[in-house]
Amino acid sequence: NAGVTQTPKFQVLKTGQSMTLQCAQDMNHNSMYWYRQDPGMGLRLIYYSASEGTTDKGEVPNGYNVSRLNKREFSLRLESAAPSQTSVYFCASSEDPGSSYEQYFGPGTRLTVT
Amino acid sequence: GEDVEQSLFLSVREGDSSVINCTYTDSSSTYLYWYKQEPGAGLQLLTYIFSNMDMKQDQRLTVLLNKKDKHLSLRIADTQTGDSAIYFCAETPPPGSYIPTFGRGTSLIVHP
Repeated sequence: NAGVTQTPKFQVLKTGQSMTLQCAQDMNHNSMYWYRQDPGMGLRLIYYSASEGTTDKGEVPNGYNVSRLNKREFSLRLESAAPSQTSVYFCASSEDPGSSYEQYFGPGTRLTVT
Repeated sequence: GEDVEQSLFLSVREGDSSVINCTYTDSSSTYLYWYKQEPGAGLQLLTYIFSNMDMKQDQRLTVLLNKKDKHLSLRIADTQTGDSAIYFCAETPPPGSYIPTFGRGTSLIVHP
């Protein structure tokens, strides 16, 4: 099993450009998440998807959109990148509530917006 | 304030024990977790404790849970330079939620 995979690993964008971060998991998990990590801020939830066909906003959704393409894939889109979106982005998946609910994280995408 | 609080930094000498502390607020949490993030990588579950336990030991790791004070700690015995990482405390989502709550992470620096 590959676990949670993310592409790309690194990206540099100019202000105003758009891009999509891709995430896929092969653990048959229902729940998937997008977080951003900034120094001293810990992890902040951008969007999550409790199951295929549903998405919900997290703590910091402004400037982002998501698509739960199927059970395996959950993408994050920046329509018009801003320097404030320079961050490390992590995708995660988890088992359903009621189990140990461990989250599995991808390796991250390091995004710089100039 | 934050739901899960941790100190941001801890510095220890190689071979000493490290103790990373965490306080949480949701008394309904079923599980409490410690995740480890090595430089340049994603988070990985290190260990977790079920809420009806007081202690869990796994090789060099000891997790202590004080439910009365809502306090969780992670002790690493014989700390090595490879233990240098950020350690995140997290709690189960509250009932009806899918969102676990993470602390901001404690950066553990191990020096010779």
